[in-house]
Amino acid sequence: DTGVSQDPRHKITKRGQNVTFRCDPISEHNRLYWYRQTLGQGPEFLTYFQNEAQLEKSRLLSDRFSAERPKGSFSTLEIQRTEQGDSAMYLCASSPGTRKYFGAGTRLSVL
Amino acid sequence: GENVEQHPSTLSVQEGDSAVIKCTYSDSASNYFPWYKQELGKGSQLIIDIRSNVGEKKDQRIAVTLNKTAKHFSLHITETQPEDSAVYFCAASTDDKLIFGTGTRLQVFP
Repeated sequence: DTGVSQDPRHKITKRGQNVTFRCDPISEHNRLYWYRQTLGQGPEFLTYFQNEAQLEKSRLLSDRFSAERPKGSFSTLEIQRTEQGDSAMYLCASSPGTRKYFGAGTRLSVL
Repeated sequence: GENVEQHPSTLSVQEGDSAVIKCTYSDSASNYFPWYKQELGKGSQLIIDIRSNVGEKKDQRIAVTLNKTAKHFSLHITETQPEDSAVYFCAASTDDKLIFGTGTRLQVFP
């Protein structure tokens, strides 16, 4: 078990482009979370899956953001028409219950 | 909604001294309080957690205390070592999503 894996680790894109991030949770963890962290702040909740069902979305998740977990295993987070304000670290966490285990994150820079 | 405040924002200690980081939360229904250590390139490591039915928990040099009445909880690190240098985040949870504090940058000087 290698922990929560996120890919890519870094992404630089131009404003207006679409980007997609992937998260592979710890195997057999049925819950998967996406958080966003900006400089000097703590992580902020974006959305959460239990198996393949997306159970909650934060108001931070505008309609340009979409997340999927098609088979209840890995998840993808897509941002369409990126804006400079989307620049942040995107963190994924998985959980078998209460404790949540985070990946190293994907750092997005929008130029 | 839940709000978590964390103090101090930076903390410098001499190796071997103790470090204490404090957090307060607003939602009295919060029932789970984890602490994470964040190091550059390594992500966030869960170092200790406590549930609302427990007042104190210890794991080697790390301890967490919870005061439900005052709605605050604290992280205590004893005999600090240079490798304890990192950013520490507290969090509170009511409904399965974590609300984080703004972090404390701990520097341990040899």
